[in-house]
Amino acid sequence: QLQLQESGPGLVKPSETLALTCSVSGYSISAGFYWGWIRQSPEKGLEWIGSVHQSGSTFYNPSLKSRVTISADTSKNEFSLKLNSVTAADTAIYYCGADSSVRWYFYWGQGLLVTVSS
Amino acid sequence: EIVLTQSPGTLSLSPGERATLSCRTSQDIDSRFLAWYRQRPGRAPSLLLYRASVRAAGVPDRFSGSASGTDFTLTISRLEPEDFAVYYCQHYDTSITFGPGTRVDI
Repeated sequence: QLQLQESGPGLVKPSETLALTCSVSGYSISAGFYWGWIRQSPEKGLEWIGSVHQSGSTFYNPSLKSRVTISADTSKNEFSLKLNSVTAADTAIYYCGADSSVRWYFYWGQGLLVTVSS
Repeated sequence: EIVLTQSPGTLSLSPGERATLSCRTSQDIDSRFLAWYRQRPGRAPSLLLYRASVRAAGVPDRFSGSASGTDFTLTISRLEPEDFAVYYCQHYDTSITFGPGTRVDI
């Protein structure tokens, strides 16, 4: 059974980089699937951030693309999110997700609240 | 960019009743690229339907979906206690966008 677990700091200072990791168990990320990040805030609702395929191809939300990097580490069986130059508007619950399709997510992590504040 | 509009914002029903939720797209889309999720309080969203009407693994048959032009409908035939939640439609083209959600309340 594929399971996902987000980890990372719950508090990030404005202008710094938000860095999160999603650990994958029950499946090898090098075997396939699209591995993605989605966030949720009261102001913006659910917002797709982007995803990475096991081939290394990446797909980003155009509105965040200039600040986002998503990558996969097959040796650790995890993938990560980096979001640069954060502001209070980036405060949200961050979820990692996965699916065999690039179009939606069947598997979700439990979510991690990240607050941007000094 | 395609915008998703969901209605109603809130639906107040009782267990056992039928729920009909709407998602309207700002342009014609390929129905194969539309999905529905349920989000229970304090939990991550859970995929219910993909390709507008195909139930995801483990989803009970009380959930069904249909499409007509730019109008997509999620129907819950008989509400169970766990169905009182927020429902989102989601579209994919080269990017993924979510609707604002419909809350189903008791």
